[in-house]
Amino acid sequence: DIQMTQSPSSLSASVGDRVSITCRASESISKYLNWYQQKPGKAPKLLIYAASTLQSAVPLRFNGSGSETDFTLTIDSLQPEDFATYYCQQSYSTQKTFGQGTKVEI
Amino acid sequence: EVQLVESGGDLVQPGGSLRLSCAASGFTFNSYSMNWVRQAPGKGLEWVSVISGIGDEKKYVDSVKGRFTISRDNSKNTMDLQMQNLRAEDTAVYYCVRRVQKWSKQEDYFDHWGQGTLVTVSS
Repeated sequence: DIQMTQSPSSLSASVGDRVSITCRASESISKYLNWYQQKPGKAPKLLIYAASTLQSAVPLRFNGSGSETDFTLTIDSLQPEDFATYYCQQSYSTQKTFGQGTKVEI
Repeated sequence: EVQLVESGGDLVQPGGSLRLSCAASGFTFNSYSMNWVRQAPGKGLEWVSVISGIGDEKKYVDSVKGRFTISRDNSKNTMDLQMQNLRAEDTAVYYCVRRVQKWSKQEDYFDHWGQGTLVTVSS
């Protein structure tokens, strides 16, 4: 199975900050990398697919980059509604594994 | 509007069985692979199973192989997950998830999720 490792596991930030979350795959996954946001008690929401394509209606302050094994989610100018847990997910293999999550908190 | 509504979650004893269902609406159901993804309390996301649009291909995470069976009824726009020999580690919220797949563009992602249904395995 392809293992996905996110860092950091959690981070503290303030409104207006620029934050970055990294995701590393245990083997090359080309650009088969997706990012999801999850708020407490809610289902995950797709933010970015194919490493860098913004899902419809997702604010432009969210950016994804990377390929092969190393990927980054960047949030420019953090907003109050962005405090949540973020997951990366590889879709290269049949068993579509997720990272362990990164909690972004104040 | 795409809607996915899960049902069937319950408290069940170890070794017991349970059947989850997902009712879909707002899209052409048989055009999409459908998945189950679960989340144990306070933990991360784990993909569980996928079924192709016409139901001829089914895959499972290793930990549920031989115990869980995924199925779909395209005439009713529903998907089920039959779970047997349940273990404490199967305790989780189970989400019904739609998959979009466009191999030519390296696009393969989960674009719509249900609200989830809670399965608790405990004596």
